[in-house]
Amino acid sequence: GENVEQHPSTLSVQEGDSAVIKCTYSDSASNYFPWYKQELGKRPQLIIDIRSNVGEKKDQRIAVTLNKTAKHFSLHITETQPEDSAVYFCAASNTNAGKSTFGDGTTLTVKP
Amino acid sequence: GAGVSQSPSNKVTEKGKDVELRCDPISGHTALYWYRQRLGQGLEFLIYFQGNSAPDKSGLPSDRFSAERTGESVSTLTIQRTQQEDSAVYLCASSLAWGAVYFGPGTRLTVT
Repeated sequence: GENVEQHPSTLSVQEGDSAVIKCTYSDSASNYFPWYKQELGKRPQLIIDIRSNVGEKKDQRIAVTLNKTAKHFSLHITETQPEDSAVYFCAASNTNAGKSTFGDGTTLTVKP
Repeated sequence: GAGVSQSPSNKVTEKGKDVELRCDPISGHTALYWYRQRLGQGLEFLIYFQGNSAPDKSGLPSDRFSAERTGESVSTLTIQRTQQEDSAVYLCASSLAWGAVYFGPGTRLTVT
């Protein structure tokens, strides 16, 4: 089955700096890669996703890049703000198998 | 529309008792997941249902844990003879056949 590794497990940045979280996956058939944000005491929620037919997707301060050859994808947050502090999870799935496999999460702390 | 709902939101039980947790997925979602999340930890996969296929039970930690799903609707997670290490938030999630996963608010289980 699919295996997703996520790094780093914790990340601390100064407000205004950029943050990058990387995930690698094992199943070359995976073609859908979402990112979820979990604020303290709340449920994980989808913030951005990318499909395998594109290499990059942006939504305001967040972007996701995908390298299918290397089987990794990354979340980029620019101009970080304290409210970006949360746990971020990546996931991978494919349209045939369906089941999403999650990474172990990254705790991002943005220091004011 | 309505999101994923879970009940109860909180459950306190004595060690050795059985508990049942309920999940109502988003209408039309064929896939349903159960996860366990201990305090400050990641998402621990428990079980995955997809339509009429046999469930993926590979994450269930012991035979004290079981889950059922009625068609493409309600699911119940049962923990028999609860132990203190079962204390955690149990998250249910649903999705279409593949794609973004939507989480419920969770059930916080405390075993005393």
